[in-house]
Amino acid sequence: AQSVAQPEDQVNVAEGNPLTVKCTYSVSGNPYLFWYVQYPNRGLQFLLKYITGDNLVKGSYGFEAEFNKSQTSFHLKKPSALVSDSALYFCAVRDIRKNNDMRFGAGTRLTVKP
Amino acid sequence: DVKVTQSSRYLVKRTGEKVFLECVQDMDHENMFWYRQDPGLGLRLIYFSYDVKMKEKGDIPEGYSVSREKKERFSLILESASTNQTSMYLCASSLWRGGDSNQPQHFGDGTRLSIL
Repeated sequence: AQSVAQPEDQVNVAEGNPLTVKCTYSVSGNPYLFWYVQYPNRGLQFLLKYITGDNLVKGSYGFEAEFNKSQTSFHLKKPSALVSDSALYFCAVRDIRKNNDMRFGAGTRLTVKP
Repeated sequence: DVKVTQSSRYLVKRTGEKVFLECVQDMDHENMFWYRQDPGLGLRLIYFSYDVKMKEKGDIPEGYSVSREKKERFSLILESASTNQTSMYLCASSLWRGGDSNQPQHFGDGTRLSIL
């Protein structure tokens, strides 16, 4: 069965600095990988996904993520953090052979300080 | 834009009550999902449906049932509410493209349910 680990409950960065939110995954086959963001009192919003091809995936709001098959990681990155990026971030994985079976990580709370 | 609407943002119910949570999506998506979100546990899948009148159990179906009579609507039912079902409930939908499971899920804003 697939699973996702987000090793950091909380990430703090200063505005303007680069940010990284970490995610590692486990699947028996090839993965589809997703990042979602959740603002207070809202549902999850899709940021980006990796299906195949380039290991660097670009998404919404200037975010990008790097797929690393050997390290089974899919870390979320942004070159310059904004205070408005403060939110809860979820990584999710799906085995490409299995429809409808998406597994989410526990979430990482990102706080960007002015 | 896809819109997934959950009927209530906040709900307070009593132990033993039968509780209905409603979800409607407007993009003709085949797949619909119910999750619960608890701090430190992320999202856990309760049930999903890939077609009208079809349903499959997720990871934590105990104490819950679902109904999908129309494509756009997916209801979650707490048969006899208990305090351990106090949680945030999220509904989601996604497009099914004939074997292609890389479509993202689109979420509603959630229902924060308190069982007293």
